[in-house]
Amino acid sequence: GAVVSQHPSWVICKSGTSVKIECRSLDFQATTMFWYRQFPKQSLMLMATSNEGSKATYEQGVEKDKFLINHASLTLSTLTVTSAHPEDSSFYICSASPHRNSYEQYFGPGTRLTVT
Amino acid sequence: DQQVKQNSPSLSVQEGRISILNCDYTNSMFDYFLWYKKYPAEGPTFLISISSIKDKNEDGRFTVFLNKSAKHLSLHIVPSQPGDSAVYFCAARDSGGYQKVTFGTGTKLQVIP
Repeated sequence: GAVVSQHPSWVICKSGTSVKIECRSLDFQATTMFWYRQFPKQSLMLMATSNEGSKATYEQGVEKDKFLINHASLTLSTLTVTSAHPEDSSFYICSASPHRNSYEQYFGPGTRLTVT
Repeated sequence: DQQVKQNSPSLSVQEGRISILNCDYTNSMFDYFLWYKKYPAEGPTFLISISSIKDKNEDGRFTVFLNKSAKHLSLHIVPSQPGDSAVYFCAARDSGGYQKVTFGTGTKLQVIP
């Protein structure tokens, strides 16, 4: 149980275009979903926290207009990288939690984004 | 400001021996600590956790020790197996930060057969 999927697993896009990454909880309802970014040999950096039906809470330094997060249902959250630049190239990982105020987080396999 | 630190970026251990991964933290508000295991190009998988009211938690070959006064925790793997080779992340939850979890920088463990 507690499986989280991400799609696509990898994507290459050109500078200036937008790309959408989906995160789905397959066998549970996720009240909260998280989006992380990982640079090579570095830690997972939390970008934003989203609760179903409400606006995402972004961490300091993360541009909300550039990284659009939508959590439209209890099983789906999307991250859209708008007007992508090469410096946005990274590994993006989502996680989902079945309960509010719980430390339980189940991670997706990640999406490798390369912006050329 | 790195609130969770893993000062050893890598560790090599012989199969069958003990692996000890260390983690230090600075935030006194952390109330739950977790260890995750991560393979390349995959998301982290939960390994073991410990509440701040405990000093030890054991699950099979994995034991986590917490020293609150030193703001230090460690993960012991005994005996180490080649399949344990991965990057291990220490993470901590802030008691006032809802579900927000702060990750350390990771330690790459290599278990040599």
